[in-house]
Amino acid sequence: QQPVQSPQAVILREGEDAVINCSSSKALYSVHWYRQKHGEAPVFLMILLKGGEQKGHEKISASFNEKKQQSSLYLTASQLSYSGTYFCGTPGGSWGKLQFGAGTQVVVTP
Amino acid sequence: NAGVTQTPKFQVLKTGQSMTLQCAQDMNHEYMSWYRQDPGMGLRLIHYSVGAGITDQGEVPNGYNVSRSTTEDFPLRLLSAAPSQTSVYFCASSPVGTRNSGNTIYFGEGSWLTVV
Repeated sequence: QQPVQSPQAVILREGEDAVINCSSSKALYSVHWYRQKHGEAPVFLMILLKGGEQKGHEKISASFNEKKQQSSLYLTASQLSYSGTYFCGTPGGSWGKLQFGAGTQVVVTP
Repeated sequence: NAGVTQTPKFQVLKTGQSMTLQCAQDMNHEYMSWYRQDPGMGLRLIHYSVGAGITDQGEVPNGYNVSRSTTEDFPLRLLSAAPSQTSVYFCASSPVGTRNSGNTIYFGEGSWLTVV
């Protein structure tokens, strides 16, 4: 089953903060986050692993609550470049293939 | 590095026609997959492969075929195009992950397909 993301969309001004949530009905061992600019391919942001390990290279933070089967992505002091659609993905099956949420559209205005 | 290369970028098909979307990667990744993206529905997995000669169905496989004869290539075939297959298609590759961690996925630039 697809993870569920909220909100569907958020509009914020440059410098404001926003939180994007991702929840799953099944046990989560890791959560992936991707960002997609309009007309482009999704780009990897970070992976959060069970146990607290986090792999990523963007100035965007995230949390992973294994018990609640949830992850949250924090856009702090947003920049215009943060605009795009954010997807969370959860691996399943033997090979770690990802299932993605429906996405959260973020618009950052000047 | 080319990464993941998809062709064509844009295609218009008539209902009932068949075509193949090409995908190639030069990163020696074992895992390759095809997703389709429709408004409001995110990315849905069509088919995937964990190595040459091994393929499996994803969430929405009907109407599509795949094969994996080499590590580098993973073409997606539309057997008889239908308007419901109008979508943006992304090919992706990654090293094989695990159920617990998955692995970073690298996407191609996408193929915009319209079926009329």
